[in-house]
Amino acid sequence: AQSVAQPEDQVNVAEGNPLTVKCTYSVSGNPYLFWYVQYPNRGLQFLLKYITGDNLVKGSYGFEAEFNKSQTSFHLKKPSALVSDSALYFCAVIGSYNQGGKLIFGQGTELSVKP
Amino acid sequence: ETGVTQTPRHLVMGMTNKKSLKCEQHLGHNAMYWYKQSAKKPLELMFVYSLEERVENNSVPSRFSPECPNSSHLFLHLHTLQPEDSALYLCASSPDLAGANTGELFFGEGSRLTVL
Repeated sequence: AQSVAQPEDQVNVAEGNPLTVKCTYSVSGNPYLFWYVQYPNRGLQFLLKYITGDNLVKGSYGFEAEFNKSQTSFHLKKPSALVSDSALYFCAVIGSYNQGGKLIFGQGTELSVKP
Repeated sequence: ETGVTQTPRHLVMGMTNKKSLKCEQHLGHNAMYWYKQSAKKPLELMFVYSLEERVENNSVPSRFSPECPNSSHLFLHLHTLQPEDSALYLCASSPDLAGANTGELFFGEGSRLTVL
């Protein structure tokens, strides 16, 4: 069965400091991995994805994520956090053996960036 | 504006009521989804439709009844709900089912449901 784990309910970071939001996964086949962001009272917005190729992928708003196959992880990172980055972040995965549209999400990590 | 519109944004209903949530997408997509978002829980995939046919029913109680009359519209009919069904219900669309694999999932802003 496919699953995603985001071990931290909340991450607190000071503005200007680097941030990391953690994600681990379990799938059948090769993983297709995604990060989405949800601002208050809004739907989820796509941030970045890993399908194949370079393990370090770059996305919107200066975010990047590193795919680590041996650790089955896909952590979200940003070198310098902004207060406007405060939001709920979701990691998601679908396995290459699953073509049925079953994108599976984690429980979300609330990122709080303080000035 | 994501091109996926959900109404109503907020709904309060009693356990004996019947109500419906509506989702409309203006993106020309062929696949549509219902997700349930509860605090501190994984986003729960409820239903998947492709070309107006249901392709996934993720063990959802029968008090939730989806309807997809065409590729642009998706409904979630609600009846005899329980308080634990209170949540944010998110609709999403993608060009096709394979679009879910490439992350091309576009979400609406959700319908916040409260069951009294």
